[in-house]
Amino acid sequence: DVKVTQSSRYLVKRTGEKVFLECVQDMDHENMFWYRQDPGLGLRLIYFSYDVKMKEKGDIPEGYSVSREKKERFSLILESASTNQTSMYLCASSGRDRGVYEQYFGPGTRLTVT
Amino acid sequence: AQKVTQAQTEISVVEKEDVTLDCVYETRDTTYYLFWYKQPPSGELVFLIRRNSFDEQNEISGRYSWNFQKSTSSFNFTITASQVVDSAVYFCALIVSGGYQKVTFGTGTKLQVIP
Repeated sequence: DVKVTQSSRYLVKRTGEKVFLECVQDMDHENMFWYRQDPGLGLRLIYFSYDVKMKEKGDIPEGYSVSREKKERFSLILESASTNQTSMYLCASSGRDRGVYEQYFGPGTRLTVT
Repeated sequence: AQKVTQAQTEISVVEKEDVTLDCVYETRDTTYYLFWYKQPPSGELVFLIRRNSFDEQNEISGRYSWNFQKSTSSFNFTITASQVVDSAVYFCALIVSGGYQKVTFGTGTKLQVIP
C-alpha cells in the first residue's frame, strides 16, 4: 500500500514565524503535490514537483516555497507565516510510469497561525 | 482551462436510502481522467475510482456505482443502501492528458448519513 506521511497532524505557529511542513512517500512516486483545503473552497494546489529539485507553481503559490532534495520527500515552507495561512495542508503523490495515476494523500496538517 | 462542478454542497439521508452525488466537468481536451475521492472526518482523502475519457462503461463496486456520460459531461456517484460509515466529504476530480498530472478538484459534497 502507498503510504504518504506528514510530519505533524496539528501545528500552532505565531505570525512571522518560518514554518516547515514535511511530506514523505514510500512508493517511489515521481510526482508530489501540496494543497491547502479551506471550507467552501475545496482543495487548491499550492506547488507540485515532478522530479527531484524540480517544482512548479500551482494556483496559489504566493507566500509559500517548496523544496524537493530527495525523491521521497517534499517540503512546504511558509517563509513568514500569516493568519490567512491558517488552513488544512494536504500532501499527495502519484506515479507516472504507466500513464495517469490517482493521487495518494497524507493525513493532513492542520496549521493555526496566531 | 478545466473545471469541475459539484453543485450539491451538503446532502443528508437516512441510513439505507440510496443517494447520488453529482459531478459535472468541463474540458476541451479529448483525453482526460476522472476520479472520485472520499474524505472521512479523519481528514485523509481516499481514492475511490478512476475513469478515462474513452471508457464510458459504468462501474459497480459493492454498494458504490458510477455513471459516466460524455454527452452531458457528467460523472455521477451513487451509494446504494447508505450506511453511517459513508458519512464523508466526496470530491470529484479531473486530470487532462499530458502535463504533470495537475488535478482539478470540485469543491466537494458533504454527505451525512443519519442512523
